[in-house]
Amino acid sequence: QQQVKQSPQSLIVQKGGISIINCAYENTAFDYFPWYQQFPGKGPALLIAIRPDVSEKKEGRFTISFNKSAKQFSLHIMDSQPGDSATYFCAASIGSGNTGKLIFGQGTTLQVKP
Amino acid sequence: GAVVSQHPSWVICKSGTSVKIECRSLDFQATTMFWYRQFPKQSLMLMATSNEGSKATYEQGVEKDKFLINHASLTLSTLTVTSAHPEDSSFYICRTSGSSYNEQFFGPGTRLTVL
Repeated sequence: QQQVKQSPQSLIVQKGGISIINCAYENTAFDYFPWYQQFPGKGPALLIAIRPDVSEKKEGRFTISFNKSAKQFSLHIMDSQPGDSATYFCAASIGSGNTGKLIFGQGTTLQVKP
Repeated sequence: GAVVSQHPSWVICKSGTSVKIECRSLDFQATTMFWYRQFPKQSLMLMATSNEGSKATYEQGVEKDKFLINHASLTLSTLTVTSAHPEDSSFYICRTSGSSYNEQFFGPGTRLTVL
């Protein structure tokens, strides 16, 4: 119930291509779905987040698509660049304020080839 | 600039010693702090949640006597790994949470290596 399942585990994309990472969850009480980017030896940094009352959110080259009925959400990185090469984590929580306990997916290592 | 700092950024210690890791929120009052552990090429696992002035709540399987958490002020939380062993070697990351939706930040992490 508390799990967030993420796929694929690793992804190789050519520069300029679209990177797509998927996540699925079971707990319908989750109400906040962020994506994080992490470079080696660094803490995760928030990329973009969505609440279940919208189906899509776009910020620059990053888009979250959210399917509430399927309990799935995905991250799309348009025009992928070598600098986007990192590990990406989806997460979910109940309550995004000071009670928000994030449950993370397993992570996806993205490599963007020049 | 960084809004959450961790100190030290890395530490190497001998087996059996205790190590204290500090997490500071620099620009806001962190009413809640979360501590995560991340093994190489793995996801972040929540260890415990602490609210300022209260005892920490530990996740199942995390030994509270081994991983001591103190959240004495709204800007500082500490994690002490007591009697560290090689299997405690990991990347420890704090996450702060303030009173608003936007006040959620991860620290840069602390790499602990126990010899």
